[in-house]
Amino acid sequence: NAGVTQTPKFRVLKTGQSMTLLCAQDMNHEYMYWYRQDPGMGLRLIHYSVGEGTTAKGEVPDGYNVSRLKKQNFLLGLESAAPSQTSVYFCASRQIYEQYFGPGTRLTVT
Amino acid sequence: RKEVEQDPGPFNVPEGATVAFNCTYSNSASQSFFWYRQDCRKEPKLLMSVYSSGNEDGRFTAQLNRASQYISLLIRDSKLSDSATYLCVVTLDGDKIIFGKGTRLHILP
Repeated sequence: NAGVTQTPKFRVLKTGQSMTLLCAQDMNHEYMYWYRQDPGMGLRLIHYSVGEGTTAKGEVPDGYNVSRLKKQNFLLGLESAAPSQTSVYFCASRQIYEQYFGPGTRLTVT
Repeated sequence: RKEVEQDPGPFNVPEGATVAFNCTYSNSASQSFFWYRQDCRKEPKLLMSVYSSGNEDGRFTAQLNRASQYISLLIRDSKLSDSATYLCVVTLDGDKIIFGKGTRLHILP
């Protein structure tokens, strides 16, 4: 039981490049979330999903897209990366109350 | 007023001391309350849920005060390993989850 995994762990992008972050959970949770965490800003919700095939915008969705084609996977896409998207990205899943987080992806956009 | 507010700290506390910090929330309809712990450069992990009657887990005690809209975390006999950032989390309507920005705690040897 791996819990929540994220790939990649680290990535450096040039401005304008695109990439996809993958989150996978093996706990059969319905809810999944993508957050970004920046110094002094705390965790900010980007997008979330309440079940397979559903997605919804969070607090800071601009510049990101998501898909939840399979229940166990939640993908976060950056179509055209900007330096302002340099951050640590955490994925989380939840069934009832407790959120389980992945180890994070450190993204730098130069 | 922010939805969830915490003193950012840092709280610098000698080993063995007792430390407490609060978190205030603005929405009286908030339903569930939690404390998460986040170590440097790691993911947040659930420390404990917070119930109206209060709850205790070893050296940690959490309290909820609905009338004044705050939750508290008390750590007794603090250890060096307690050094971390403590995040207050509040849920609304089952789906909306709000994180505080965290309180940094440094336990000094």
